[in-house]
Amino acid sequence: KQEVTQIPAALSVPEGENLVLNCSFTDSAIYNLQWFRQDPGKGLTSLLLIQSSQREQTSGRLNASLDKSSGRSTLYIAASQPGDSATYLCAVETNAGKSTFGDGTTLTVKP
Amino acid sequence: ETGVTQSPTHLIKTRGQQVTLRCSSQSGHNTVSWYQQALGQGPQFIFQYYREEENGRGNFPPRFSGLQFPNYSSELNVNALELNDSALYLCASSLLAGDRETQYFGPGTRLLVL
Repeated sequence: KQEVTQIPAALSVPEGENLVLNCSFTDSAIYNLQWFRQDPGKGLTSLLLIQSSQREQTSGRLNASLDKSSGRSTLYIAASQPGDSATYLCAVETNAGKSTFGDGTTLTVKP
Repeated sequence: ETGVTQSPTHLIKTRGQQVTLRCSSQSGHNTVSWYQQALGQGPQFIFQYYREEENGRGNFPPRFSGLQFPNYSSELNVNALELNDSALYLCASSLLAGDRETQYFGPGTRLLVL
């Protein structure tokens, strides 16, 4: 059974700091891994999707890496801003189209 | 925009009632999955429908049921609502077979059970 763990559960940083969010999963037989952002009371916003054959993806100040063999992914946020404050969720998708999510990391960026 | 829509956006029900949530998938997607996200947790897989048949279920009781229709719409039905059914319900559509595509998530329906 796939299990996804995100560490830390919560993180508070001053504006401008670079930070790393971690995601680990137990079964390396994945189709892809996706990072989402969720604002309070809202749905999911897809940030980056990494196919199982890829090692990383970048979008603006965000960079996500994937190491399937070790069951790990990281989301790197450069030069954090108060608008980055949200919960970040990691999800791994199987070849059967089912996703397993972590419980998220709640990020607070202080001005 | 993912091309996946859900209705209603919010819903309030009382304990014991029944509810139907709706999802409209991306055109051409033959698979829809439903997820429940309780407060402070990540989404949990409820079940998946592939070509109108249930194709896997998570750890949810039979009072959670679904339907998938040929017109790329689907429903999640929950009977005998309990207080802890209060959650955000997400649907996700994908194409399994041929040109495989990843899941695309809808915006969710927030259900409150009083």
